[in-house]
Amino acid sequence: DTEVTQTPKHLVMGMTNKKSLKCEQHMGHRAMYWYKQKAKKPPELMFVYSYEKLSINESVPSRFSPECPNSSLLNLHLHALQPEDSALYLCASSQAEGQQFFGPGTRLTVL
Amino acid sequence: GENVEQHPSTLSVQEGDSAVIKCTYSDSASNYFPWYKQELGKRPQLIIDIRSNVGEKKDQRIAVTLNKTAKHFSLHITETQPEDSAVYFCAASKPSGGGGNKLTFGTGTQLKVEL
Repeated sequence: DTEVTQTPKHLVMGMTNKKSLKCEQHMGHRAMYWYKQKAKKPPELMFVYSYEKLSINESVPSRFSPECPNSSLLNLHLHALQPEDSALYLCASSQAEGQQFFGPGTRLTVL
Repeated sequence: GENVEQHPSTLSVQEGDSAVIKCTYSDSASNYFPWYKQELGKRPQLIIDIRSNVGEKKDQRIAVTLNKTAKHFSLHITETQPEDSAVYFCAASKPSGGGGNKLTFGTGTQLKVEL
């Protein structure tokens, strides 16, 4: 399996909701990433996990809470989001410092 | 932190022509430079990458050159085809310290290949 998968594909949530985004890879990669991408902009790094430990948090607001339950799974828990958080959320994985493989993303809309 | 500049922001070429996209980076610790192609509504996909110990790399119609001294790298696409139309992102990367790498993307180039 050479793909990164993400669920759901689309998510609409209110500002008071709690939801989670999920990412999975079975390539044996030990680094996993969350990116946020606004329309017509490049992906912006949010978090890096390495060997299931958080190694980078790019000063992301606490309403975004990452979790890495095991080496194949990465979650992003969402709570009390703002409309400006609407974006495409991309997950990626890599073998150490090599090529990052991206998932198809979750299109998030916050009402 | 790292800053990656990318030019041009839009590029229109005739089918069969060549396309060149240029990027500069600021952090001399960056050692890995991937290029991603992103079609509308799709995920970014790696098309070519280069490490700092190499000056040039080629894969069929696509080539990348790196000038470490000047801190710039370029993507060259020859014999362009309509299916090359997409947004192209350059990126600069350095190890994140705890494993993995920290990618900083350029602002993107919308390439349009016209028939």
